Amino acid sequence: DAGVIQSPRHEVTEMGQEVTLRCKPISGHDYLFWYRQTMMRGLELLIYFNNNVPIDDSGMPEDRFSAKMPNASFSTLKIQPSEPRDSAVYFCASSSNIHAFSYNEQFFGPGTRLTVL
Amino acid sequence: KNEVEQSPQNLTAQEGEFITINCSYSVGISALHWLQQHPGGGIVSLFMLSSGKKKHGRLIATINIQEKHSSLHITASHPRDSAVYICAFRGASGSRLTFGEGTQLTVNP
Repeated sequence: DAGVIQSPRHEVTEMGQEVTLRCKPISGHDYLFWYRQTMMRGLELLIYFNNNVPIDDSGMPEDRFSAKMPNASFSTLKIQPSEPRDSAVYFCASSSNIHAFSYNEQFFGPGTRLTVL
Repeated sequence: KNEVEQSPQNLTAQEGEFITINCSYSVGISALHWLQQHPGGGIVSLFMLSSGKKKHGRLIATINIQEKHSSLHITASHPRDSAVYICAFRGASGSRLTFGEGTQLTVNP
């Protein structure tokens, strides 16, 4: 398995533009997570999905951010309009189903480094 | 107060030294993760534990549920261990992770 795949790896855009980040989770994983990492705030969970359904989006900063998971093998995180303070590394991670008495690790993608000028 | 705190924030060691990084949390958890973030940015999951101790090569992770504390130990440290080490916990319900701020470890030759 190729692991979690994210694209693009780097994105530079101008303030006000729409940005779309993409993620392909590991095949068979039921959970998908979007994280943001900045120097100031460290790693933060933005949203996570279970079986393509958003479960917790309380970490999404504001309405400019939206995430979708149209099928089990693809998710997008969209920022519209983008602002300089959105500059960060955005990680996608996936994990397999979490049962009551067993726990599974999260596997991280390489991240997308976003710079908004 | 943060729900999870790591110490120290920065740690510099000489090659061969024994390293300890600490993580304290303030809520009930179902599991605690230790992650390693390389200088290039990639994140690797090192351990996930809910009790006791786990060992992998030169790395040892321990957790004390009663004291809400976990430690990551590195024996015979090496410059390639230089990275940011992050602890994260999963709450008693659900699967979201809450992250510590990380410990920057630098091992000098």
